[in-house]
Amino acid sequence: RKEVEQDPGPFNVPEGATVAFNCTYSNSASQSFFWYRQDCRKEPKLLMSVYSSGNEDGRFTAQLNRASQYISLLIRDSKLSDSATYLCVVGLDNYGQNFVFGPGTRLSVLP
Amino acid sequence: GAVVSQHPSRVICKSGTSVKIECRSLDFQATTMFWYRQFPKQSLMLMATSNEGSKATYEQGVEKDKFLINHASLTLSTLTVTSAHPEDSSFYICSAQDRTNEKLFFGSGTQLSVL
Repeated sequence: RKEVEQDPGPFNVPEGATVAFNCTYSNSASQSFFWYRQDCRKEPKLLMSVYSSGNEDGRFTAQLNRASQYISLLIRDSKLSDSATYLCVVGLDNYGQNFVFGPGTRLSVLP
Repeated sequence: GAVVSQHPSRVICKSGTSVKIECRSLDFQATTMFWYRQFPKQSLMLMATSNEGSKATYEQGVEKDKFLINHASLTLSTLTVTSAHPEDSSFYICSAQDRTNEKLFFGSGTQLSVL
């Protein structure tokens, strides 16, 4: 079983739709969790960190479920510019030197 | 936010030549930098972890004599692909951590094409 798994998609949604991605991780001792966004042939950019209490940034909401070992990302009112690959990243320790990347989920927002 | 500069953005070279890629943290000190490669439609694969002043730690399957990493200062790490071959063609990305050791900041990547 891979350490971090994501549905590769693609998710094709109309503008204005709400879309949710899940990411599961296998190591119960994982310490930190992030969502990154990557545009084609560009570097990943941090979208948001994910905390146990859940966090929201505008149209984006991230949740962490430690018991079930998954994190989620919800995007409301999708924009065309949201089209990208969303990478789930899990930090395996507190020293910050052991990050594992999920394979990414591709999102296409259609006009 | 923290800025990581990666240079060059694109390299086209002949088989057998060596290519050096630079990664700089512009506004913070990065004690640790990471080097990844990414094939089309795949996620990032960690190649090595580079700590300032010490030898890099390579992931399993990554040849350390093929991919030379130097992290001579707190703001600069370099990756040299020695005797590049077509199968080394890939997108190479570096990242660096800020002081909190929590978040990663990425360089803009280098697209290497070996003919």
